[in-house]
Amino acid sequence: AQSVSQHNHHVILSEAASLELGCNYSYGGTVNLFWYVQYPGQHLQLLLKYFSGDPLVKGIKGFEAEFIKSKFSFNLRKPSVQWSDTAEYFCAVNPSGWNTGFQKLVFGTGTRLLVSP
Amino acid sequence: DGGITQSPKYLFRKEGQNVTLSCEQNLNHDAMYWYRQDPGQGLRLIYYSQIVNDFQKGDIAEGYSVSREKKESFPLTVTSAQKNPTAFYLCASSSGLANEQYFGPGTRLTVT
Repeated sequence: AQSVSQHNHHVILSEAASLELGCNYSYGGTVNLFWYVQYPGQHLQLLLKYFSGDPLVKGIKGFEAEFIKSKFSFNLRKPSVQWSDTAEYFCAVNPSGWNTGFQKLVFGTGTRLLVSP
Repeated sequence: DGGITQSPKYLFRKEGQNVTLSCEQNLNHDAMYWYRQDPGQGLRLIYYSQIVNDFQKGDIAEGYSVSREKKESFPLTVTSAQKNPTAFYLCASSSGLANEQYFGPGTRLTVT
């Protein structure tokens, strides 16, 4: 079945460590890609998105992600994490790739990140 | 402030009862969505609506119903036919300008 996979379910890092969270999808053709974050007690919010162009996308709070089409991947990275990055991170894919206001997203299962001070 | 409101934050119901979750947005978005979030399963799409008076089933629509009579509102009814209704429910909306979904704070439903 077509899907979005996040292989790391739980990640524990110390402050200042580098972060990379994996996201792979199994849809062919043009896709739109997203990373969302859910901080404890807060709304799910967008970190970054990729529709087209430069495959290295920069988002809020120092996060970036790289779209590698040949690997069907969209991994999230941050060079140096902070305690405030403790949250759950979700990768999402719009398999249709339409650049419209309607986005039918398929979400990964999420990765819980705990950053220890 | 523009945004999405969901009420109530916590909801408790007895098995066999229908319950309606509220979702209101003042972002003037055309599209609205309902997701269910369970631990270790991510978000799964229940229903979505691209425009007023129109909606489609998502991946897990069984046991749920929706209506979209107004652009601002997209209530979700969890019926007694839903076999495992206890979950965290998230409402979202999107528009052509931002090309991203904005999420509400969620409603945690517990059915006993």
